[in-house]
Amino acid sequence: DAGITQSPRHKVTETGTPVTLRCHQTENHRYMYWYRQDPGHGLRLIHYSYGVKDTDKGEVSDGYSVSRSKTEDFLLTLESATSSQTSVYFCAISDHGKVNTEAFFGQGTRLTVV
Amino acid sequence: AQTVTQSQPEMSVQEAETVTLSCTYDTSESDYYLFWYKQPPSRQMILVIRQEAYKQQNATENRFSVNFQKAAKSFSLKISDSQLGDAAMYFCAYRSPGATNKLIFGTGTLLAVQP
Repeated sequence: DAGITQSPRHKVTETGTPVTLRCHQTENHRYMYWYRQDPGHGLRLIHYSYGVKDTDKGEVSDGYSVSRSKTEDFLLTLESATSSQTSVYFCAISDHGKVNTEAFFGQGTRLTVV
Repeated sequence: AQTVTQSQPEMSVQEAETVTLSCTYDTSESDYYLFWYKQPPSRQMILVIRQEAYKQQNATENRFSVNFQKAAKSFSLKISDSQLGDAAMYFCAYRSPGATNKLIFGTGTLLAVQP
């Protein structure tokens, strides 16, 4: 199994509070991604990174920010959590320069905003 | 923009029988990759099978095979000899050949396997 660790695995937070989710990899993969999974929507890309300090927005980036100061860590921050951000969040990694490379996923973080 | 559509929210199959999950996609690109991911109750995303668009031959992985129809932009997954452990959510996904490796997912099909 690819070495991807998400923390925390579960979190309940109050509306308006900041929340940071962490993704840590031991595979030295260049690309890292944050997705959210919601019923009826599948997985949707929030932000992704293509290198240290290089990030870009996905299709549902509003209300989220990311940072990548080291190859192995990719942080997702909800600046002021809202109930609409209640979801399951997945981190994924993939390699660069390989044809047909697959993405490897973490175990997911279930976030509940009350 | 590319889109992926899974029109079957839920499916059911008897153990040992065969089931086919449907997936269609929309793209203007000629080169791309398609994937089926399995998500069991544990929530882990597991790659089941992949297909490169430039390959005409349908991919096969043990009991799992695909029917890739490029002109129709269709990518169905066939599961043969269904087992109880096949019960899961299945996601179809598309990836452009660009360097960012971003995946675009369908909404998923929840497969139940009846003993």
